[in-house]
Amino acid sequence: DAGVIQSPRHEVTEMGQEVTLRCKPISGHNSLFWYRQTMMRGLELLIYFNNNVPIDDSGMPEDRFSAKMPNASFSTLKIQPSEPRDSAVYFCASSRGQGRSDTQYFGPGTRLTVL
Amino acid sequence: AQKITQTQPGMFVQEKEAVTLDCTYDTSDQSYGLFWYKQPSSGEMIFLIYQGSYDEQNATEGRYSLNFQKARKSANLVISASQLGDSAMYFCAMRPNSGGSNYKLTFGKGTLLTVNP
Repeated sequence: DAGVIQSPRHEVTEMGQEVTLRCKPISGHNSLFWYRQTMMRGLELLIYFNNNVPIDDSGMPEDRFSAKMPNASFSTLKIQPSEPRDSAVYFCASSRGQGRSDTQYFGPGTRLTVL
Repeated sequence: AQKITQTQPGMFVQEKEAVTLDCTYDTSDQSYGLFWYKQPSSGEMIFLIYQGSYDEQNATEGRYSLNFQKARKSANLVISASQLGDSAMYFCAMRPNSGGSNYKLTFGKGTLLTVNP
């Protein structure tokens, strides 16, 4: 079975440019998560979708960040304009969204570098 | 609020030996899940093992087992017969099973395991 798919795997951009990260969750999973990982702050939950609806976006740093999930098989995280402090690894994860043992499965991540 | 503490920033183990990675947690929830993830140098986060707070037996998955001591609020990961490919960062995480944040994983800071040949 295919896992969570993310693209691109690496992104290098210049400050001020728009960046779009893409995610395809595991088929049949109803919950989708975007995380950011940095050395200083570790893993941070940015936003959580359930059945394509954003439930918790309290972790989104500021208005420069936006996320969408137009259907059950696709989500985007957009940064506009990007800043050097946005440099991090961004993970998408998905889960079935039910049951005590509900487990989040992570994609390979997108390593973003903003110059 | 939940808190995960991994007190070992780094650990070393000889190939073929067993190693225990420590994880303690703090929560007021009665029902919760505990998870371990592996992050090799290539960067992906790989799910390893799950333990429910009400599970009577310690979880096992192949060479991975969880030494769960609920009264001590600890969920240590035991890797048996270490292999060179086990060298990675290991994260402990927990999630409440009820309440408005029952989707939210709280992660520890991780332990970097190095397996020596």
